[in-house]
Amino acid sequence: GAGVSQSPSNKVTEKGKDVELRCDPISGHTALYWYRQRLGQGLEFLIYFQGNSAPDKSGLPSDRFSAERTGESVSTLTIQRTQQEDSAVYLCASSLGASIYEQYFGPGTRLTVT
Amino acid sequence: KNQVEQSPQSLIILEGKNCTLQCNYTVSPFSNLRWYKQDTGRGPVSLTIMTFSENTKSNGRYTATLDADTKQSSLHITASQLSDSASYICVVSASGGTSYGKLTFGQGTILTVHP
Repeated sequence: GAGVSQSPSNKVTEKGKDVELRCDPISGHTALYWYRQRLGQGLEFLIYFQGNSAPDKSGLPSDRFSAERTGESVSTLTIQRTQQEDSAVYLCASSLGASIYEQYFGPGTRLTVT
Repeated sequence: KNQVEQSPQSLIILEGKNCTLQCNYTVSPFSNLRWYKQDTGRGPVSLTIMTFSENTKSNGRYTATLDADTKQSSLHITASQLSDSASYICVVSASGGTSYGKLTFGQGTILTVHP
């Protein structure tokens, strides 16, 4: 019955390493979203899943970013060959469906690339 | 390009006072508009969601308005409290096509309530 959870809560990695961020949505929520929020900036849409499919990947900033979702549940966001500009808080949200349904946000993963 | 612009960028008010935050958008086709409150270090929390046919919606001391013709929305906070200090984000959802379900976020208005 818990809300959206994300792990890890904090991640420090060296430039050039790969990282994997995890999101566990609220059970039964078919839509899942990933956002990025740089320090002092607004939220930036990355990708959205309906079920296990991603109808909109338009926000992924480069081919170093990829995401998948399995079992209409957990999702992972992978960043390959991290760069310092990837440092941000990565937020995941889920909702019962797309569009009108309210999105519930997780606490985010703070990624720092050194 | 779909855009959401908010004003002011930041606002300082005294506890107990009212304030109004503005949001202009160019998202098309329009589905709905949301206002979120984001406390520092936390994920956003929804305050209101309005569709095309709704022009006002309240949630406690928060009242949102929507003018779909001029593509403007406002969030009015009544009798502000210290706990209202946060970033308030206007978010617009598009409908149809590949933009279905995608939200466009404004940069937010940072509200600080002083005692």
